Amino acid sequence: DVKVTQSSRYLVKRTGEKVFLECVQDMDHENMFWYRQDPGLGLRLIYFSYDVKMKEKGDIPEGYSVSREKKERFSLILESASTNQTSMYLCASRPTGTTRPHGYTFGSGTRLTVV
Amino acid sequence: GDSVTQMEGPVTLSEEAFLTINCTYTATGYPSLFWYVQYPGEGLQLLLKATKADDKGSNKGFEATYRKETTSFHLEKGSVQVSDSAVYFCALSVGNDYKLSFGAGTTVTVRA
Repeated sequence: DVKVTQSSRYLVKRTGEKVFLECVQDMDHENMFWYRQDPGLGLRLIYFSYDVKMKEKGDIPEGYSVSREKKERFSLILESASTNQTSMYLCASRPTGTTRPHGYTFGSGTRLTVV
Repeated sequence: GDSVTQMEGPVTLSEEAFLTINCTYTATGYPSLFWYVQYPGEGLQLLLKATKADDKGSNKGFEATYRKETTSFHLEKGSVQVSDSAVYFCALSVGNDYKLSFGAGTTVTVRA
């Protein structure tokens, strides 16, 4: 069964900490995405990557960075966590070269609380 | 820019009731449209999709028809079950854009 795995379901971090959220997919997908999900706001795209070492800003990249050193892994980094980054973070992947549109495969999410 | 507006929830229904969740969109090109579902404690799953005007997507008893004239993609189910309790998201992508734009989500609770 194909999977997108997020390393943590729940995280509690302190303000100012550097936080790493990890996402791994086993489907050999080229494209990977990080969204945050907040009540009443839906899902908002933070960053995405369409190839190894490539990254593009989404709609709300401020306060975040990403790393994609290997095809299967896409990491979201909060350089200095703040309380307004308390949210549910969802990773997704999607192949290239298939009949468009192709749905995303999502991970189960990481609920991050910054205190 | 491209965006999706869906009806606000929460929506509470009794089993076997009819469910409609409204979704309208704004897009610069010709979008593909999706409905995703998120069950409690899980990530999002693709429920159904439609790629061109008048297409009807269907899955698990849910249906949605791509209406270009009203820029809508309303989700319907004729008889809901408790297991349909979830958050439902309407989404679109345009052209060769890899990205999906999501609506705010509608929480549906079905009571026995």
